[in-house]
Amino acid sequence: GAVVSQHPSRVICKSGTSVKIECRSLDFQATTMFWYRQFPKQSLMLMATSNEGSKATYEQGVEKDKFLINHASLTLSTLTVTSAHPEDSSFYICSASSPGGFSYEQYFGPGTRLTVT
Amino acid sequence: AQTVTQSQPEMSVQEAETVTLSCTYDTSENNYYLFWYKQPPSRQMILVIRQEAYKQQNATENRFSVNFQKAAKSFSLKISDSQLGDTAMYFCAFMDGGGADGLTFGKGTHLIIQP
Repeated sequence: GAVVSQHPSRVICKSGTSVKIECRSLDFQATTMFWYRQFPKQSLMLMATSNEGSKATYEQGVEKDKFLINHASLTLSTLTVTSAHPEDSSFYICSASSPGGFSYEQYFGPGTRLTVT
Repeated sequence: AQTVTQSQPEMSVQEAETVTLSCTYDTSENNYYLFWYKQPPSRQMILVIRQEAYKQQNATENRFSVNFQKAAKSFSLKISDSQLGDTAMYFCAFMDGGGADGLTFGKGTHLIIQP
């Protein structure tokens, strides 16, 4: 099956700093990648959709200037949390798909736990 | 916008029993996909089963099957012969037919299988 990795798996940063999370599709080309956020004991909420080579589409209520998404290649998307604050602490999960070719199915990464102190 | 509702926050059954998790959704689309995902304590999302809305036949994957009622907008998951390893959060999810949109998830059901 298709494999998606995320790096780092855990990160702790100080308030006011920025942190970058990488999402990679290891064995397929992902034309579309998605970023979700999951608070403790809650469901996943879609933050944004990114297509290779174009600007990301953000869901309503998600600050595009705080959560910078770059989908520079067919195997890599990055989420940068800028000027992080404690309320940004959460579990961030990416998924990847290739709806026009491989499958409409989304393949999930293992997630990144961000803690902002 | 689509909504997905899971009305059972937590369920507990004995090992080897059959359990059904409920899910309803609301959409104006005619072409879409429905999924059940499992999230164990590791938090890795695992696809359990999927259903294409245009297919009338209910999907089945080994011990997992769904009851898809399109007119009622209902998509329940039945787990037969439940096992301890089935203990996890289960999320029902909806995706628009184009496949280019993200998933809309329900709030989840915490399923506990008792030995």
